[in-house]
Parts: sequence; structure tokens; C-alpha cells
Amino acid sequence: GDSVTQMEGPVTLSEEAFLTINCTYTATGYPSLFWYVQYPGEGLQLLLKATKADDKGSNKGFEATYRKETTSFHLEKGSVQVSDSAVYFCALNSGAGSYQLTFGKGTKLSVIP
Amino acid sequence: DTAVSQTPKYLVTQMGNDKSIKCEQNLGHDTMYWYKQDSKKFLKIMFSYNNKELIINETVPNRFSPKSPDKAHLNLHINSLELGDSAVYFCASSQATSPYNEQFFGPGTRLTVL
Repeated sequence: GDSVTQMEGPVTLSEEAFLTINCTYTATGYPSLFWYVQYPGEGLQLLLKATKADDKGSNKGFEATYRKETTSFHLEKGSVQVSDSAVYFCALNSGAGSYQLTFGKGTKLSVIP
Repeated sequence: DTAVSQTPKYLVTQMGNDKSIKCEQNLGHDTMYWYKQDSKKFLKIMFSYNNKELIINETVPNRFSPKSPDKAHLNLHINSLELGDSAVYFCASSQATSPYNEQFFGPGTRLTVL
């Protein structure tokens, strides 16, 4: 079945540091890939997505590239801010069922001034 | 305007009780979902539903049942609550014509069973 593996947290970084959160997946066919972010006390919101190989999703300074050969979708940001502190979820949609998402376990990021 | 709303935001109840969580979306989407987030933040699909088909995750106990009075609403009813049901429950919706489409999530309902 479908699965997503992302690096264990928590991750603590100083402001302006470089961020990488690794994500790899297993799926049938060619899934769509997503990064969702959950700020404290809130629901999930889409951060970025990519729908085919070599696509790069980007938003708010975050980027991730769909790498079919390594089945990966790593999240990166060049310079994190305190406001980026949140839990980040990698997810895929392989079109199974009613297109439900399969999530990784989430990575908690804390950015300190 | 809130896209996906859930009530209540917090729900504290005793073991053995029956409770419902309501969800509404005003996005005109055709499919709604319920996800459970456990204490370690792990998210897992419970149900997906459109006006044609209910798909149930086979690991969900039959004490949980989704009820959809219309296309914009998908409520979650839980019978005989157990301690292990304590979690945050998220409702979501999408236009499920493509796996490319974003799912929009509600703010979550934190259920605590005592």
C-alpha cells in the first residue's frame, strides 16, 4: 500500500538557518505529492504541491522537488523565521479510493531567535 | 468566510457516552473526509464520502459512523466512547475529480474521553 516516511523530529533551528525535512514515499503509479503545515492550535493548510516528476512546488520561500528516481519530495527553505515554527506533514495522493491523503508522521520545527 | 468548519472545537466526555462532531464546507466540493490525529500527531484517514460512495478505512471500529444530511455536511457520530478515542479529529473536503486537487481542512475537534 501507499506510505510516506519523513524524518523524525523535533527539529530546532536558529533564525535564518537552512532547513531540510526529508520525505520519501512508496506508492502505486504516479502520485501527487504535498507538504501541509499545521501551526499550533490550528488545522492543516497546504504549503505546496507537485503533481508530476521533476515538478518543483514553492510557496512562502519553501521549495520541494518531485524526484521519481529517488521517490523523494524533500522540503527546503533557505532562511527560516520564528513564524515558521509548526508541524510539517508530507503527504501523497495516489488516486486510490476517493483520493484520500496518506500522511507521513509529521516533523515538528521550532525556530529560535 | 470559513471554508471548512467543525463544531465543537473541544469535547470532553465520559467513557461509554455517545457523541457527534459536525462538519460543514462552503466550497461546493463533492467529497468530504474525516481524519484522526493521535497524540503523536500521526494523521490517518477514517472515512471518505461523496454523494455516491462511502469508503471506510477497515481499521475504524464500527462504533464510528459518518452521517451526511447533504453534500455540504459530514458529521461524525461515535457510540460507546472509549479512552483510546481521545484524539483530534479533522474534517476535510476536496473536489475529488483528480488526485492533484488540494484538500481543505477544518480547525479540528479535540476529543477527550475520561
